[in-house]
Amino acid sequence: DAGVIQSPRHEVTEMGQEVTLRCKPISGHNSLFWYRQTMMRGLELLIYFNNNVPIDDSGMPEDRFSAKMPNASFSTLKIQPSEPRDSAVYFCASSMVSEAFFGQGTRLTVV
Amino acid sequence: QQQVKQSPQSLIVQKGGIPIINCAYENTAFDYFPWYQQFPGKGPALLIAIRPDVSEKKEGRFTISFNKSAKQFSLHIMDSQPGDSATYFCAASTRDYKLSFGAGTTVTVRA
Repeated sequence: DAGVIQSPRHEVTEMGQEVTLRCKPISGHNSLFWYRQTMMRGLELLIYFNNNVPIDDSGMPEDRFSAKMPNASFSTLKIQPSEPRDSAVYFCASSMVSEAFFGQGTRLTVV
Repeated sequence: QQQVKQSPQSLIVQKGGIPIINCAYENTAFDYFPWYQQFPGKGPALLIAIRPDVSEKKEGRFTISFNKSAKQFSLHIMDSQPGDSATYFCAASTRDYKLSFGAGTTVTVRA
């Protein structure tokens, strides 16, 4: 298995634009997590899916953020409109039981 | 606020030394305590994990010590090597495996 696959690896966008980050979890994993990493706040959990259903989105910072998981092999995190303070590395992780496997991350820069 | 407090923020050791990273938590519902290793430009990768029913776990040169009564746990890297230079994160979760991460410790091992 290729592991958790995220795209794009890097994204530079202008303030106000819509940004969509994509994630393909490891086949067979039933939990998917979106994390955000910044120097100031470290690694923060944004949202958690189990069996494609959003279980906890309390970490989503604002209504500008939304996440979907239409099937077991794909998830998206959308920011609309984007703001400079959204600049961060966004990680997707998947797990079957306890061990969470992280993707390489998407480095988002909003200018 | 972070549910897991990690220290130190950074440390430097000579090759062969034993870096020690400490973490503390308050939530007594936590029952899974993993450590993640992250290299620049990569996602975090699980290094070793422990549950509160054991006080110590070793995997290769990495050892977790766990003190349930003090609500503290630590990572020791035995015989450290330059290739161990990375950022290390402690984490904790309840049975839903939503990880709460510490702030991270940057370890530098000098040859």
